[in-house]
Amino acid sequence: DQQVKQNSPSLSVQEGRISILNCDYTNSMFDYFLWYKKYPAEGPTFLISISSIKDKNEDGRFTVFLNKSAKHLSLHIVPSQPGDSAVYFCAALYNFNKFYFGSGTKLNVKP
Amino acid sequence: DVKVTQSSRYLVKRTGEKVFLECVQDMDHENMFWYRQDPGLGLRLIYFSYDVKMKEKGDIPEGYSVSREKKERFSLILESASTNQTSMYLCASRRDRGLVKLFFGSGTQLSVL
Repeated sequence: DQQVKQNSPSLSVQEGRISILNCDYTNSMFDYFLWYKKYPAEGPTFLISISSIKDKNEDGRFTVFLNKSAKHLSLHIVPSQPGDSAVYFCAALYNFNKFYFGSGTKLNVKP
Repeated sequence: DVKVTQSSRYLVKRTGEKVFLECVQDMDHENMFWYRQDPGLGLRLIYFSYDVKMKEKGDIPEGYSVSREKKERFSLILESASTNQTSMYLCASRRDRGLVKLFFGSGTQLSVL
């Protein structure tokens, strides 16, 4: 049973607009949440993280929001650029030990 | 920057063969991980290691074993490869439990025929 779910396999957005990627989780004991980006033929690379005690973290064009009551996480990319086209994985860390990953959302940013 | 190197980008093996996947990191990281990535299932943890000679089962360890004789190297072993082990295998490392950021290798696409 997947503890971290990304229900949208793909998302298409126009360049310059906002991309919103969503993630739901089931375990309220997760310590941290993370987003990774993956290009074809490369390993995932770390993008941004948020502690379970926060509700927002920002890094340049990337903002992650955490809604603990809804057990929901989202990544906002503003403005979206063609180079952002990739697969995005959300992940949750349990007991600072085990990482659980979602199935990924493929983002396509159209020029 | 941290470099995690997986020895092969593509591997083709026969059913029943013993398969070794090698992973090396160059930053003296304590923790290392093996994941497999399958469409629609995301990354699933096979095994991880806190330190040299230490290992813990992940969520899908059946059919796999691991070896960590040196800190920089973490090997995944398929004792008798089967077709359902055809997958993308990703190795990752992190400095220690105090850090949340994982560094991944580029992956090994394994096909078992």
